[in-house]
Amino acid sequence: GIQVEQSPPDLILQEGANSTLRCNFSDSVNNLQWFHQNPWGQLINLFYIPSGTKQNGRLSATTVATERYSLLYISSSQTTDSGVYFCAVDPRIIQGGSEKLVFGKGTKLTVNP
Amino acid sequence: DTEVTQTPKHLVMGMTNKKSLKCEQHMGHRAMYWYKQKAKKPPELMFVYSYEKLSINESVPSRFSPECPNSSLLNLHLHALQPEDSALYLCASSHLGLAGGPTYNEQFFGPGTRLTVL
Repeated sequence: GIQVEQSPPDLILQEGANSTLRCNFSDSVNNLQWFHQNPWGQLINLFYIPSGTKQNGRLSATTVATERYSLLYISSSQTTDSGVYFCAVDPRIIQGGSEKLVFGKGTKLTVNP
Repeated sequence: DTEVTQTPKHLVMGMTNKKSLKCEQHMGHRAMYWYKQKAKKPPELMFVYSYEKLSINESVPSRFSPECPNSSLLNLHLHALQPEDSALYLCASSHLGLAGGPTYNEQFFGPGTRLTVL
């Protein structure tokens, strides 16, 4: 099956610093999502980005589908950005059917004050 | 409204108990999902319902029994669980693509039920 690799596995930042998280995937994908899982376990949708670039406030994401990777940029990090960031991909296209998300192992981000 | 709700938030049960987890969404999504997440691991898919029919079962043990009574509700019935089944159980929902057309599968997750089996 498809492999989804995220790097780095752990990242520690000082408040105000910028960071880039990477997601590599081993095969073509239909969809790609970035999530932030907060300390209480809630998975928060950050981006739905099968290709191209999107921005939302201090966060932006770029997916280069032809080269099978996606990047998540966090600028001016805040302590509330702490948590685990997951990349998840849907490796199949089933017309009219359901699909599944395959998650990477995540990047654990700690932002210190 | 992009909210998926789950009840209860926490559940402690013995190995002989029967309990149910509930999930609800009002976004008009026709696909609903159960995921299991162990500590320090990513979520893993358990079941998928599309148009209220079970479409994917990822070889989940029969002590987990899903049910989709209507397009807004998803249940997970639990019976004779083992301590290793303790985990965070996440529900999600998404739209489905039309037959013959492009798919659109942004999934939205609920807050989860943290299950402890004693």
